[in-house]
Formats: sequence, C-alpha cells, structure tokens
Amino acid sequence: KQEVTQIPAALSVPEGENLVLNCSFTDSAIYNLQWFRQDPGKGLTSLLLIQSSQREQTSGRLNASLDKSSGRSTLYIAASQPGDSATYLCAVPRSGGSYIPTFGRGTSLIVHP
Amino acid sequence: DVKVTQSSRYLVKRTGEKVFLECVQDMDHENMFWYRQDPGLGLRLIYFSYDVKMKEKGDIPEGYSVSREKKERFSLILESASTNQTSMYLCASSLGFRGNQPQHFGDGTRLSIL
Repeated sequence: KQEVTQIPAALSVPEGENLVLNCSFTDSAIYNLQWFRQDPGKGLTSLLLIQSSQREQTSGRLNASLDKSSGRSTLYIAASQPGDSATYLCAVPRSGGSYIPTFGRGTSLIVHP
Repeated sequence: DVKVTQSSRYLVKRTGEKVFLECVQDMDHENMFWYRQDPGLGLRLIYFSYDVKMKEKGDIPEGYSVSREKKERFSLILESASTNQTSMYLCASSLGFRGNQPQHFGDGTRLSIL
C-alpha cells in the first residue's frame, strides 16, 4: 500500500528565505508526482506535475524534483513571500499506473513579513 | 482552462436530512472523485467514477452514495446526514486511466450537520 509522508508538518519562516519541502513515498513504481497548494478553506490548486521520466519541473519561483529510486520529491521555493503562506501537499498514484492518488498530510507554511 | 465547480461553498443541514452535493467539470474528463478532508486525517477518498453510471467505493464509503448520470456531473449523496459527516468535501476530476494525468479540484463545500 502506497504511503506518503511530508516533512516538516509545519514551517514558519521570515520573508525572503529559500525553502525546501519534502515528500517521500513507499512504492516507487509511479507514473507521476503532483504538488498542490491549499489556502485555508479552499480546494487544492495544482502547482507542478512531474512525470516519472522527468527529474524536475519549474514554475516561476517553484522547482520540484523527483528521485523515484529513493522514493523522494522536494519542492523548492525561492525567495519566499507572505503570499506563499498555505498548505502544500504532494500526491502519487496508489500503485503502479493507478489513476487514483494517495495524498500526503501536507506541510503548513507561514511566511511572515 | 480547467474548471471544476462545486455547487455550494457552505451548506448547513440537519441530522437525518438527505443531502446532495453537486460537482460539474467542463474538461470531458473520464474520472471524477469525492474526498472529505478533516484536520489531522488528511484527504480521504469516499467514492470515484471512471465513466457514466460507473462508480467505485473509496476508503470511506459508509453513509454515502453517488450518482453519475452525465459525464460532466458527479453527485455525492448523504442518505441520512449525521453530525460526524460535518467536514470539508472536495470534488476532483482527471483525464484517462494511465495514472499520468493530473487531478483538478473544485473549491470545496464546507458542510455542517446540526
């Protein structure tokens, strides 16, 4: 059974810091890994999708990497801003080529001015 | 752009009522999902559907049913609402069956059962 762990569970940093959020998963036979952002009381917004054949994806100040062999992904946020405050979740397929994802519990990020 | 719309952002119902939560997607996606999200428990899958009129139980289907009469619409039904079904409900959709497509979420429905 696929299990997804996100560390740390919570993070509070001053504005301007570069951040690394971690995601680990137990079954490495995955097609992709997806990172989401969730603002309080809202749904999930997709940030980045990394296919299994890729090692990283970039969008603006965000960079996500994937190491399938070790079952790990990192989300790097450069020059953090208060508007980055949210919960960040990662998700991978439950098993093999399944289209049903398993989600981590998320990392709650606060960036203070 | 991808759009998943949930009919209500907030809903308050009474114990024992039959409750309908509606979700519509405009992307011609095959797969649709209903989750509930509770503090400390994360996202839990209630039901999903991979085609019109097809449905599969997720991890916590008890007390819920679903309906998918049209490809774009997926309804979650609480047959007899109870206070332990107070939660945030999230609908999502995705394309295809190969596990390499992203999930797209609606804005969620905050449901309170009194």
